[in-house]
Amino acid sequence: NAGVTQTPKFQVLKTGQSMTLQCAQDMNHNSMYWYRQDPGMGLRLIYYSASEGTTDKGEVPNGYNVSRLNKREFSLRLESAAPSQTSVYFCASSAPRLYNEQFFGPGTRLTVL
Amino acid sequence: AQSVTQLGSHVSVSEGALVLLRCNYSSSVPPYLFWYVQYPNQGLQLLLKYTSAATLVKGINGFEAEFKKSETSFHLTKPSAHMSDAAEYFCAVSDSGGYQKVTFGTGTKLQVIP
Repeated sequence: NAGVTQTPKFQVLKTGQSMTLQCAQDMNHNSMYWYRQDPGMGLRLIYYSASEGTTDKGEVPNGYNVSRLNKREFSLRLESAAPSQTSVYFCASSAPRLYNEQFFGPGTRLTVL
Repeated sequence: AQSVTQLGSHVSVSEGALVLLRCNYSSSVPPYLFWYVQYPNQGLQLLLKYTSAATLVKGINGFEAEFKKSETSFHLTKPSAHMSDAAEYFCAVSDSGGYQKVTFGTGTKLQVIP
């Protein structure tokens, strides 16, 4: 039981490059989330998927897209990376039967030059 | 809409002293409340959660928190700080009832002085 896994762990991009962050969970949770964490700003929700087949914008969606590939997988895509997207990205999952407790992955540290 | 306020972005305590990290929330319905801990270069892990059962909630590593509805607070305490408690702590709130998003506070970094 791996919980929530994320790949890659580290990434350096040049401005304008694209990339996809991958996330998978093996806990049969319905809901999945992408957050970014910046110093002094806590966790900010980028996109979420309340259930398979649905996705919605969070607090800071600009410059990102997501795909809920199946119940297990939720990917985050940066189409044209900008330095302002330098951050640590966390994927999480939850289930209503667990009081919406968020289970987090280990994070991806992204630097955009 | 729900929100969370953590008072103090940085807190310093001496080893062996009381740890008190403050969290106030707003929610239009009975809330679920959480405290998470993040050690350097790691993800967030759950310390404890309130889900409308007992108002005093005990978590891992000797931490506990008390839900006070009249004060809309959910402060985190530990009687005696240990060096290993140095980390960042996040309070979070979710509306109760089925699927709901979770809103996080901006975090409090705890420094433990030997």
